[in-house]
Amino acid sequence: GAGVSQSPRYKVAKRGQDVALRCDPISGHVSLFWYQQALGQGPEFLTYFQNEAQLDKSGLPSDRFFAERPEGSVSTLKIQRTQQEDSAVYLCASSLIEGRVRGNQPQHFGDGTRLSIL
Amino acid sequence: AQSVSQHNHHVILSEAASLELGCNYSYGGTVNLFWYVQYPGQHLQLLLKYFSGDPLVKGIKGFEAEFIKSKFSFNLRKPSVQWSDTAEYFCAVNGYDMRFGAGTRLTVKP
Repeated sequence: GAGVSQSPRYKVAKRGQDVALRCDPISGHVSLFWYQQALGQGPEFLTYFQNEAQLDKSGLPSDRFFAERPEGSVSTLKIQRTQQEDSAVYLCASSLIEGRVRGNQPQHFGDGTRLSIL
Repeated sequence: AQSVSQHNHHVILSEAASLELGCNYSYGGTVNLFWYVQYPGQHLQLLLKYFSGDPLVKGIKGFEAEFIKSKFSFNLRKPSVQWSDTAEYFCAVNGYDMRFGAGTRLTVKP
């Protein structure tokens, strides 16, 4: 497809379960970002990849959050031992060229995965 | 620390009214500025962006924004809104990293 694809669209899990969220960026996009968007808030940065390298994970809220992009395309955000406060929409975005810090390329967003922890 | 502030949480307008949504940021260095829109049930989409040059930038669907460096502002404007502009609008600033404002929900009454 032409856009960023995320799956699943909705995920409901019981507290304590592990979840995995998938992101397919736009083909050829070097940079990939994960954001967490709580209800009524703007997206909050979680982590950034340039190709397969995770260059910044400073936004990950705890060591229960883990992201990977092993082949520089598809990325997975994993949350272990989920807690209720993890309930949010998780957004993935990609951009064409490198440089989150220098970034003047707009980010293209997926539809997000709405995660609900019961 | 870098931050983005959107002053209006919810704006309600009638069709044909003029729109201005405020956005202020705090960051001492060079920034790139964006406005994104999220229509109900859809993903975030880029409305317009400013990197350099003319501080008045025009985007899609008749939107424009003006970068005023001295005020650290990047307000979004549209002369005449339509019902289809009902959406959530996010200002974003890419300085050290990408930061989003909390969003402004715009409701346009037909």
